[in-house]
Amino acid sequence: DSGVTQTPKHLITATGQRVTLRCSPRSGDLSVYWYQQSLDQGLQFLIQYYNGEERAKGNILERFSAQQFPDLHSELNLSSLELGDSALYFCASSEGIGGANQPQHFGDGTRLSIL
Amino acid sequence: AQTVTQSQPEMSVQEAETVTLSCTYDTSENNYYLFWYKQPPSRQMILVIRQEAYKQQNATENRFSVNFQKAAKSFSLKISDSQLGDTAMYFCAFMKPGAGSYQLTFGKGTKLSVIP
Repeated sequence: DSGVTQTPKHLITATGQRVTLRCSPRSGDLSVYWYQQSLDQGLQFLIQYYNGEERAKGNILERFSAQQFPDLHSELNLSSLELGDSALYFCASSEGIGGANQPQHFGDGTRLSIL
Repeated sequence: AQTVTQSQPEMSVQEAETVTLSCTYDTSENNYYLFWYKQPPSRQMILVIRQEAYKQQNATENRFSVNFQKAAKSFSLKISDSQLGDTAMYFCAFMKPGAGSYQLTFGKGTKLSVIP
């Protein structure tokens, strides 16, 4: 158990809909990262938050947004969903901003299926 | 942009044998970190081993060790005494620190099957 909690584990919805994925980091971790894992693109970094502030953006679509709340949990919002958004979405957390001595610990992921 | 290449989509090894997974990366940076993550069928992402580029000594974690060749930009993972529980996807990942960003760039992965 990594200590990172993601809900829900599975989500099935239709094209055009909006969903929210939730992540609670490990106790004491200030950074939260979101990754998307799909068959064609592999594992891709989406966005990082540190102590409530956005730190880095990766290949995140404009239809996607995220935030980190004062209690450090984070939400990833996906809107106007398309079939290609079907993927496994991981949240990871680290103690500080990051680095080899602050490895990222991953949650179990949310499997999003778009019908 | 950094890229990570894992040239072996699938590999298999007999239980108790040794296997080496390859990873190469492309970067112009001098300071960076490298990681191997394991993703078993349960789909968790589990950190296996990490290496700082400035350290010449290869990292070791129990049965897992790396062969880090900085000049060749190679970072292979050796698994000794393979166990059935080692069956998983293995991802090599690169991290370039800087500007407050510590995102991981992953390779496509190698699917390892340990055969009894």
